[in-house]
Amino acid sequence: AQSVTQPDIHITVSEGASLELRCNYSYGATPYLFWYVQSPGQGLQLLLKYFSGDTLVQGIKGFEAEFKRSQSSFNLRKPSVHWSDAAEYFCAVGDFGNEKLTFGTGTRLTIIP
Amino acid sequence: ETGVTQTPRHLVMGMTNKKSLKCEQHLGHNAMYWYKQSAKKPLELMFVYSLEERVENNSVPSRFSPECPNSSHLFLHLHTLQPEDSALYLCASSQDWGASSTDTQYFGPGTRLTVL
Repeated sequence: AQSVTQPDIHITVSEGASLELRCNYSYGATPYLFWYVQSPGQGLQLLLKYFSGDTLVQGIKGFEAEFKRSQSSFNLRKPSVHWSDAAEYFCAVGDFGNEKLTFGTGTRLTIIP
Repeated sequence: ETGVTQTPRHLVMGMTNKKSLKCEQHLGHNAMYWYKQSAKKPLELMFVYSLEERVENNSVPSRFSPECPNSSHLFLHLHTLQPEDSALYLCASSQDWGASSTDTQYFGPGTRLTVL
């Protein structure tokens, strides 16, 4: 069965600093990978997704993620965070053929001035 | 309105009450989903509907009863819930469901449910 691990429950970053959120997955074939963001009181918004092709994926709000098959990772990065990036971030792996998404437990991002 | 909307946004109910959550998508999608989000746990897929037919039921207790009257609307009927059912219930939709489908799921803002 597929699974997703987000090892960091909570990360605090200074505004303007770079960010990397970790995601490791377990899946038997080529995974479909997603990063979603959830602001307080809101639903999940898709940041980016990887299905195939270029392993460096660009998303919205200046985020990018890199798929590394050898490490079973799909880490999310942003070169310079803004206070508005404070939210919870979820990595998910998709099951080809039936759209089922398996989510990680999320990483809460706090931004300090 | 655009996207996926959910009502109510907040709901408090007793264990003997019957209530319903409503989801509406304005995206022309054919698949709709219910998820449960509990604190410190991954999102749990509850139900999936494709073209108004239920295609997934992830061992959800019968006190949760979904209904999909058309491709734009999805309901979750609740009765005799337990306090541990308190959670954020998220609705999502995607263009299609099934083999070869890699469609993105779009989420609503959720209903925060508290069971007393």
